[in-house]
Amino acid sequence: DAGVIQSPRHEVTEMGQEVTLRCKPISGHDYLFWYRQTMMRGLELLIYFNNNVPIDDSGMPEDRFSAKMPNASFSTLKIQPSEPRDSAVYFCATAEGPGELFFGEGSRLTVL
Amino acid sequence: TQLLEQSPQFLSIQEGENLTVYCNSSSVFSSLQWYRQEPGEGPVLLVTVVTGGEVKKLKRLTFQFGDARKDSSLHITAAQPGDTGLYLCAGDTGGFKTIFGAGTRLFVKA
Repeated sequence: DAGVIQSPRHEVTEMGQEVTLRCKPISGHDYLFWYRQTMMRGLELLIYFNNNVPIDDSGMPEDRFSAKMPNASFSTLKIQPSEPRDSAVYFCATAEGPGELFFGEGSRLTVL
Repeated sequence: TQLLEQSPQFLSIQEGENLTVYCNSSSVFSSLQWYRQEPGEGPVLLVTVVTGGEVKKLKRLTFQFGDARKDSSLHITAAQPGDTGLYLCAGDTGGFKTIFGAGTRLFVKA
């Protein structure tokens, strides 16, 4: 299995632009998580899905952030409009159930 | 709000030394995991502990889960440069929601 695949690996954009981050989960994993990592705040859970349904989005910072999972093999995290404080590494992780999370390599976002 | 506090935040030691990293919370967790993260990569699971008082060993790494399932420790014996990385503890709050501590950044000098 190829593991969790995220794209893009790096994104540099200007404030106000729309950013879309993509994730392909491990086949058969019913849980998908989006995390944000910064030096100041560590790994923060933004939202997670079970069987493509959003279960808890209480970590989503504000309305500028949205996440979708239209099918079992694809999820997106969108930021519109982006701001410099959104600069971080965004991780997608998946799991079969409680316990081990399998992380992608992350998408490093820089908003100028 | 459930919180996992890790200490120390940063540790720089010589090869061959022993070290212990701590993870504490006021909340009870159904399970607790330890991950290691290297630069440019996502965290990778080292171990999961489930039972209060449980001790697990992984080569030179020893993991312990507190009796009350609120805290955990990671002990590394005879650290090697390859152990360098960010060590993260994570707690399952139930309902599959996993939260992470801020991490301990370990640097082992040759």
